Amino acid sequence: AQSVAQPEDQVKVAEGNPLTVKCTYSVSGNPYLFWYVQYPNRGLQFLLKYITGDNLVKGSYGFEAEFNKSQTSFHLKKPSALVSDSALYFCAVRYYNFNKFYFGSGTKLNVKP
Amino acid sequence: NAGVTQTPKFQVLKTGQSMTLQCAQDMNHEYMSWYRQDPGMGLRLIHYSVGAGITDQGEVPNGYNVSRSTTEDFPLRLLSAAPSQTSVYFCASSFARAAYNEQFFGPGTRLTVL
Repeated sequence: AQSVAQPEDQVKVAEGNPLTVKCTYSVSGNPYLFWYVQYPNRGLQFLLKYITGDNLVKGSYGFEAEFNKSQTSFHLKKPSALVSDSALYFCAVRYYNFNKFYFGSGTKLNVKP
Repeated sequence: NAGVTQTPKFQVLKTGQSMTLQCAQDMNHEYMSWYRQDPGMGLRLIHYSVGAGITDQGEVPNGYNVSRSTTEDFPLRLLSAAPSQTSVYFCASSFARAAYNEQFFGPGTRLTVL
C-alpha cells in the first residue's frame, strides 16, 4: 500500500543549528514527493517537491530535501534554523498513475532562540 | 487571485444536524480534494474530484457526500453530524494533468459536533 511515514512527532533544534525532518515512503512505482508547512491556525503551504533528476531539491525559505531511492527517504533539511521556522511539517507522496496524495502524520518543529 | 477559499471558518453543530462546507478556487484547477486533520493522524483524504462531474472516495468517506457541478466549486456535505466528525477540514486543489503538481490549500474550517 502507498504510504508515507514521519517517524518523529517533534524535532527540537537551537536557532542557527542545522535541522532535519525525516520522511520515508513505501515502495510502489515512481513517487513524487512533497513537503508542506503549516503555521498555527493556517492551511498548508507548499515548500518543495521531488519529481525526477537531481536528488537534492531546493525550495522556499532556504529549505531543501534529499531524495534517497535506496532508503526510500525524502528528508527535509535547512543549514541554519530560524525561530520563525517553528511549525508543523508534512511530507506527502503521490504516484504518477494514482490520483491520491498520501500525507504523513506531521512533525512539529520547535526552534529555540 | 483569491486562491482556495473555504467557508465557514468555524462551525458548531449538534449531533444529527446536516451542513455543507463550501470550497471554491479561482485557479482553473481540475483536481480538488477534501481532507480532515486530526491530532497525530496527519491529513486524511475524504473525497476528491478530477474534474466537473467526476468524484471519488478517499480514505475516510463515510458520513460525507460531495458533488462537482463546476470546475470552481467542490462542496462537502455532512449528512448527519456525529461527534467523531469533530475536526479541521481542508480543501485543496491542483492541476490534474500531471501527478507532480502540488496542491494549494484553503485556510480550513474548524468543525465541532456536540
